Amino acid sequence: TQLLEQSPQFLSIQEGENLTVYCNSSSVFSSLQWYRQEPGEGPVLLVTVVTGGEVKKLKRLTFQFGDARKDSSLHITAAQPGDTGLYLCAGNTPLVFGKGTRLSVIA
Amino acid sequence: DTEVTQTPKHLVMGMTNKKSLKCEQHMGHRAMYWYKQKAKKPPELMFVYSYEKLSINESVPSRFSPECPNSSLLNLHLHALQPEDSALYLCASSYRTGGGQPQHFGDGTRLSIL
Repeated sequence: TQLLEQSPQFLSIQEGENLTVYCNSSSVFSSLQWYRQEPGEGPVLLVTVVTGGEVKKLKRLTFQFGDARKDSSLHITAAQPGDTGLYLCAGNTPLVFGKGTRLSVIA
Repeated sequence: DTEVTQTPKHLVMGMTNKKSLKCEQHMGHRAMYWYKQKAKKPPELMFVYSYEKLSINESVPSRFSPECPNSSLLNLHLHALQPEDSALYLCASSYRTGGGQPQHFGDGTRLSIL
């Protein structure tokens, strides 16, 4: 079983701060996906990264796939309360999820 | 709004009841999934259907019985559940299995077993 380790598990920050969430594995993944899940809802896909070294931007969110395709990061610039949620990385088929990072952005 | 629709949103049942969870998508996806998610945990895969055929069963107890009547529908039949089965049950679909296909999730059914 390929495991994905996410860090930190919990993060509580003030509005306007920057943050980075990490997703690491000892295994190589053909692709990694990032999801955000809000309470009472299912996970929503944010991005899929496929190529080693790839960087994708989604407004204030920047996603990077490691050169060796074993890790990924999510950087949020100027966090907003609307960014609050559970951030999950997932890889391969069927999807294996990391344990998630629970982000709370305080106004 | 999610493109994967799950009903009911909430379900409370006794351990002797029989109930079914339903999932529907009209995106032409041929892969559909059931996940179980406990509080503050990530989703855990239960079943995978590909082209209406069961392709993966992650050693799920037989009190959970999946069914895929057609390419748009996925059911999960429940019978004689235990209190520890209380969880959020998520349905997802993707264009196909394989190749890191992105999955589209429904909002889940929150199940409580009395």
